[in-house]
Amino acid sequence: AQSVTQLGSHVSVSEGALVLLRCNYSSSVPPYLFWYVQYPNQGLQLLLKYTSAATLVKGINGFEAEFKKSETSFHLTKPSAHMSDAAEYFCAVSTNTDKLIFGTGTRLQVFP
Amino acid sequence: DTGVSQDPRHKITKRGQNVTFRCDPISEHNRLYWYRQTLGQGPEFLTYFQNEAQLEKSRLLSDRFSAERPKGSFSTLEIQRTEQGDSAMYLCASSARTGYEQFFGPGTRLTVL
Repeated sequence: AQSVTQLGSHVSVSEGALVLLRCNYSSSVPPYLFWYVQYPNQGLQLLLKYTSAATLVKGINGFEAEFKKSETSFHLTKPSAHMSDAAEYFCAVSTNTDKLIFGTGTRLQVFP
Repeated sequence: DTGVSQDPRHKITKRGQNVTFRCDPISEHNRLYWYRQTLGQGPEFLTYFQNEAQLEKSRLLSDRFSAERPKGSFSTLEIQRTEQGDSAMYLCASSARTGYEQFFGPGTRLTVL
């Protein structure tokens, strides 16, 4: 069975600082991994996805994530935070039927 | 590409009433998913259609819940005899036959009084 653990329900950074959101997964088969962002009262928007190609995945809005099989991790990073990055971020793993299993989310706050 | 749309965006109902939500997927997508999201949690899978066939249902989907996708296009999710515990955001997503990227709609927020 697949599962996702997001370490840290809240992360606070200053504008311009590095953003690091942590995600560890468990999967009995090679995983497909995703990061989604959710703004208040809105649906989810895909930031990036890993589907067994390059281990370093670049997404929208300057985000990227690195798949590390040995660490079962798929952490999300951005070199320089913007105020507009403040949102809820969800890591997800896909099963072989394509349904997504989500983590509990990390709320990112960005201070000026 | 108009994206995934959901109607209504908000629904307030009294306990015991029935409610129905609609999801219109991206037009060329043949897979459609329903998820439920409660406050402070990630979305949880409810059910999944490929064309008009409902292929998987979560244990979260009790007998009071039913979903349909009659012509393989839009889908409806009905909750009968609503309970306060049904209060949540109900999200719909769609994806194409190939690939694993799911596109989400804005959700329907249900409040059961």
